[in-house]
Amino acid sequence: QQQVKQSPQSLIVQKGGISIINCAYENTAFDYFPWYQQFPGKGPALLIAIRPDVSEKKEGRFTISFNKSAKQFSLHIMDSQPGDSATYFCAASKWTSGSRLTFGEGTQLTVNP
Amino acid sequence: EPEVTQTPSHQVTQMGQEVILRCVPISNHLYFYWYRQILGQKVEFLVSFYNNEISEKSEIFDDQFSVERPDGSNFTLKIRSTKLEDSAMYFCASKSGPSSYEQYFGPGTRLTVT
Repeated sequence: QQQVKQSPQSLIVQKGGISIINCAYENTAFDYFPWYQQFPGKGPALLIAIRPDVSEKKEGRFTISFNKSAKQFSLHIMDSQPGDSATYFCAASKWTSGSRLTFGEGTQLTVNP
Repeated sequence: EPEVTQTPSHQVTQMGQEVILRCVPISNHLYFYWYRQILGQKVEFLVSFYNNEISEKSEIFDDQFSVERPDGSNFTLKIRSTKLEDSAMYFCASKSGPSSYEQYFGPGTRLTVT
């Protein structure tokens, strides 16, 4: 029940296109859903996050859509750029003080120029 | 911008040896974490630490692992007797306080056990 499933495993998009990455979770106690961006050899960097009291959050070209009833959330990258090429991880946690993050398997995004 | 730092960036050790991975969390953050990422796989939680004690640990964090905050700035992960399967990237993360959610990750230490 702690799993977070992420798809697709890899994604190739043309410059200017929309990248969409999906995640599904099982544990209804999760109440925080961040997305992390990771470049090769670097640590995960917090990109954007959402709480289940809203269905959408937008920051610049990045949008999270959240469907509580379906237990799914997705990351949309508008106007994708070659510099967005990275691995993206969704994650989830419960609001407890220790609150471990449970990560999805990751999506390797390639944006072709 | 404050950031989490980790040393060394790469550690090579022989099987059975002890290693200590070091982290300096963001100043004034109160919660500290270790995660690991085996090459090509997802990031996995190891342990969380608050108020000088372990808050939560995963099934990966067995008796071979320990954590310590030896002073006001460092946070360490010790692996007592390394195994080949301990080879991974180890990430330290921190968050500011009990009412915050955001965890900020360091650049990682690549541990290679030969």
